[in-house]
Amino acid sequence: AQSVTQLDSHVSVSEGTPVLLRCNYSSSYSPSLFWYVQHPNKGLQLLLKYTSAATLVKGINGFEAEFKKSETSFHLTKPSAHMSDAAEYFCVVSEDTGFQKLVFGTGTRLLVSP
Amino acid sequence: GAVVSQHPSWVICKSGTSVKIECRSLDFQATTMFWYRQFPKQSLMLMATSNEGSKATYEQGVEKDKFLINHASLTLSTLTVTSAHPEDSSFYICSAMDFRGAIYEQYFGPGTRLTVT
Repeated sequence: AQSVTQLDSHVSVSEGTPVLLRCNYSSSYSPSLFWYVQHPNKGLQLLLKYTSAATLVKGINGFEAEFKKSETSFHLTKPSAHMSDAAEYFCVVSEDTGFQKLVFGTGTRLLVSP
Repeated sequence: GAVVSQHPSWVICKSGTSVKIECRSLDFQATTMFWYRQFPKQSLMLMATSNEGSKATYEQGVEKDKFLINHASLTLSTLTVTSAHPEDSSFYICSAMDFRGAIYEQYFGPGTRLTVT
């Protein structure tokens, strides 16, 4: 079975500094990987996804992630944090090509201070 | 576009009663909808997958007689928690899949907080 491990339950950054949210995956074959963001009282929103094309994936709101097979990692980064980035972030792996079976990580709460 | 709503956003019920949660795709037709459960400070766990007009497929360990799922139309799925107990208290999230143009993406609702007293 596939799984993802989010290495940090909380990450705190200052506004304007870089963001790094770490995710490692376990998969017996080439996975599809996603990052979702969850703001309070809002549905999860897809930030970006990797589906075996370019290993560097650019998403919305300036986020990007790099798929590194040798390290089994899919870390999420952003050059400069905004206050509005404060939220819960989930790394997700899909077990099927139709993206119906999503396996979620435990989430990382990003805190952004002024 | 691709908005999914849930109703209610929060509900409190007494132990032994049943509660129904609605999930609607507002601007697209969803042939497949999913129900997840999220415990505090934990990840989302898939409970079941429902396809319009057919019976839901439940994940291992999910009681199908306790969590009744109905997907009667392409825009509405309901989850009924029957004979609720305090351990059923949780955050329930639905998602809907839009197959238009072969874009396989799940769109998530904002969730429903259930508290059983």
